[in-house]
Amino acid sequence: AQKITQTQPGMFVQEKEAVTLDCTYDTSDQSYGLFWYKQPSSGEMIFLIYQGSYDEQNATEGRYSLNFQKARKSANLVISASQLGDSAMYFCAMNDYKLSFGAGTTVTVRA
Amino acid sequence: DTAVSQTPKYLVTQMGNDKSIKCEQNLGHDTMYWYKQDSKKFLKIMFSYNNKELIINETVPNRFSPKSPDKAHLNLHINSLELGDSAVYFCASSQGLNSYNEQFFGPGTRLTVL
Repeated sequence: AQKITQTQPGMFVQEKEAVTLDCTYDTSDQSYGLFWYKQPSSGEMIFLIYQGSYDEQNATEGRYSLNFQKARKSANLVISASQLGDSAMYFCAMNDYKLSFGAGTTVTVRA
Repeated sequence: DTAVSQTPKYLVTQMGNDKSIKCEQNLGHDTMYWYKQDSKKFLKIMFSYNNKELIINETVPNRFSPKSPDKAHLNLHINSLELGDSAVYFCASSQGLNSYNEQFFGPGTRLTVL
């Protein structure tokens, strides 16, 4: 069964605008971690942001914030003030006893 | 001062050959992983090692054999390569097995089987 669901295969966003990438997850564990990674066209996996299941505050890292809604089992990534360099594939991942990835969302930032 | 390094970056080989991919991390982490990213970009864990001990062994063919000579190294040996093995293989490491530990990824090895 799919543990991580990213329903948006691709998105376009205008430079300087904000974009929200959806992620829902499924687990029966109480303790888990949620991660977002960025994969640019060069191929490397870049860690962006982490949210723990017990964290009450939404995580933020610079222009990245994670909208964590535990009851709905969602962990959406918000990128504010998009830049051309944000064009990449974005993966949501959950770590309960192992890291499981969603299918990814390709973001293209338009000038 | 690369944190997680992999060699080689590209590997092109014929079906039936045996090949190895090496991974080293200089972060002092206890846990290392191998992931496979297929042509549709889907990432799936293959193996994880904690303190040189195999912890996770997903449904991977026996032709794939990981080896961890020490905590800083996790190599992947693949026997009798098949066309379907063509993918990008990522090594990663983390401080431990806890769910809050971020995983640091290597640059990936693109394997092409002809």
